Amino acid sequence: KNQVEQSPQSLIILEGKNCTLQCNYTVSPFSNLRWYKQDTGRGPVSLTIMTFSENTKSNGRYTATLDADTKQSSLHITASQLSDSASYICSTDSWGKLQFGSGTQVVVTP
Amino acid sequence: SAVISQKPSRDICQRGTSLTIQCQVDSQVTMMFWYRQQPGQSLTLIATANQGSEATYESGFVIDKFPISRPNLTFSTLTVSNMSPEDSSIYLCSVDLAGSYEQYFGPGTRLTVT
Repeated sequence: KNQVEQSPQSLIILEGKNCTLQCNYTVSPFSNLRWYKQDTGRGPVSLTIMTFSENTKSNGRYTATLDADTKQSSLHITASQLSDSASYICSTDSWGKLQFGSGTQVVVTP
Repeated sequence: SAVISQKPSRDICQRGTSLTIQCQVDSQVTMMFWYRQQPGQSLTLIATANQGSEATYESGFVIDKFPISRPNLTFSTLTVSNMSPEDSSIYLCSVDLAGSYEQYFGPGTRLTVT
C-alpha cells in the first residue's frame, strides 16, 4: 500500500480560478514533505519543500500547507493559468528515502 | 541547481532486446538515482548509483535485469535487459546536491516495448 495518497486523481478548472490538491501520508517519521510539478514529457520539478516543523510555504501562486498532526498536506494554486496544466506530485522524505504519491492531473481550460 | 540530460528521450523496442539509457549531469554529484514511472502510478526507485561502488537496488529490482554503470561523478547508465511489455514505462534519472534538500530530475526516457 502506498504510504502517500493524493486526491483527487484529476481535476479540470477554468483559467483564473483557484484549486486545492490534497496529500495524505502515513510515513513517519519524516524530515520533509515536497510538492513537485511534472509537465507532460518532462521530469518533476520541485515547487515547495517543507520540514516537519513548517506549516506553510509559498512559491509564487503555489502555497503548500502541512499538518503533521493529521498527516495531511495541501497545495493551493491561486489564479490558475494555462501553464499550470500538469501533474502535481506529493512526496515525503524520510531522511533520504523518498515516497511519492501517484499525482493529481490538473487541466486548466480557457 | 543541477541540469540533467537523458538519452534517448524515447524509444520503441522489441520484446527480448535491451536498451541502455544515459544520464548526464552538469555538475559532480555523489549519488544518482534511477526511477521508474509507470502510467498513472507513483515514481518508484529502482536503484541508487554511487561512483566507485556497486549500485544499491530496491526490493523488486535486480542487477541482472537493470544493470547500472557509474563511471564518474557526472554520468550514469541504466540498462533495461531482456525487455517485456511490462517494462514499458518512463525511466527517470535524478540527483540531489550535497547540503540541499532539493532533488533534481532528468526529462525522462519513455520506453515502449512491443
